[in-house]
Amino acid sequence: DVKVTQSSRYLVKRTGEKVFLECVQDMDHENMFWYRQDPGLGLRLIYFSYDVKMKEKGDIPEGYSVSREKKERFSLILESASTNQTSMYLCASSRGGEENIQYFGAGTRLSVL
Amino acid sequence: AQSVTQPDIHITVSEGASLELRCNYSYGATPYLFWYVQSPGQGLQLLLKYFSGDTLVQGIKGFEAEFKRSQSSFNLRKPSVHWSDAAEYFCALTGGGNKLTFGTGTQLKVEL
Repeated sequence: DVKVTQSSRYLVKRTGEKVFLECVQDMDHENMFWYRQDPGLGLRLIYFSYDVKMKEKGDIPEGYSVSREKKERFSLILESASTNQTSMYLCASSRGGEENIQYFGAGTRLSVL
Repeated sequence: AQSVTQPDIHITVSEGASLELRCNYSYGATPYLFWYVQSPGQGLQLLLKYFSGDTLVQGIKGFEAEFKRSQSSFNLRKPSVHWSDAAEYFCALTGGGNKLTFGTGTQLKVEL
């Protein structure tokens, strides 16, 4: 089974802090994704990566950056956390190609106070 | 631009009753379509997918979905709902690229 692991289930941070959300997948997938989930808005793509050191902006990249130094690990970085970044963050990975089945981690619920 | 619409934000059904969750899409060609389920506090789990071929697809947990090109729909069905099916359900599509477009989700409540 594909396993996507997010390092934290819950995080509480202060406004202005630098926040790192970590995601690791164990299936040698090329693609990795970071989504933000908010009630009534569904999942919105923040960034995705299709290879090591490669990234592409999603629909809502403002206020976020990402890092992919190793194939299995994809990090989401909030350079200076703000209260409007309080949300559920979901990581996913996929093999790529036509059958883009994405496998999700359990999510990190981030609260910025 | 591609989009997915799930018109029902909340649905409540009695245990044992049948279920249909609606999904409509907008895309210029035949998309790849997915249904995911999210149990409380969990990530998303793939229920089923449609890529091509038979328009009625079977998934896990007794779910099925039917692709109707003429109606741009991909509705999810289950003949008899169990209390453990209470969750949020997301329809999604891709045109064959890397990115998925999700609907806003339907929250299912099951009354015992």
